[in-house]
Amino acid sequence: GAVVSQHPSWVICKSGTSVKIECRSLDFQATTMFWYRQFPKQSLMLMATSNEGSKATYEQGVEKDKFLINHASLTLSTLTVTSAHPEDSSFYICSAHSGLAGAYEQYFGPGTRLTVT
Amino acid sequence: EDQVTQSPEALRLQEGESSSLNCSYTVSGLRGLFWYRQDPGKGPEFLFTLYSAGEEKEKERLKATLTKKESFLHITAPKPEDSATYLCAVQADKASGGSYIPTFGRGTSLIVHP
Repeated sequence: GAVVSQHPSWVICKSGTSVKIECRSLDFQATTMFWYRQFPKQSLMLMATSNEGSKATYEQGVEKDKFLINHASLTLSTLTVTSAHPEDSSFYICSAHSGLAGAYEQYFGPGTRLTVT
Repeated sequence: EDQVTQSPEALRLQEGESSSLNCSYTVSGLRGLFWYRQDPGKGPEFLFTLYSAGEEKEKERLKATLTKKESFLHITAPKPEDSATYLCAVQADKASGGSYIPTFGRGTSLIVHP
């Protein structure tokens, strides 16, 4: 149980275009989803936290107009990178937890490798 | 502010050579401490949750323990397939004024040589 999927697993796009990444909890309802960015050989950098039906909370330094997050249902959150530039190239990972019975362990998706040319 | 420090940053072991990874934390009331395993190019995989000092959990060659200031991930007789980065995270108790957002350490990169 506790499976989280991400789509696509990798994407290459041209500078100036937008890219949407989907994150789904397959076998549980996720009250909260997190979006992380990870650079090579570095730890996870939290970008934003989203709760179903409400606006995402962005970490300091993360542009909310550039990284649009929508948590439309208890099983789906999307991250849209708008007007992507080469510096946005990175590994993006989502995670989710149900929050039920005090269980706050996160279940991570497999990640999306974004390359902007 | 919650803080998590993992040591060592990198660890090389020979197959069968047991060792421990350390996760030291500072948090205003602990709700939970989590261990994850991350393979290159993949998302982290959940391993354990520990809630209170003295608690221990085991999974195959891994055993996680918890005190009031740190957690250890003991690896017994490791195999090459145990090579990965191991991440530790803590979540504060909201009742103590903490954030429910977990704080991650930088991880320990483990390489097990055959």
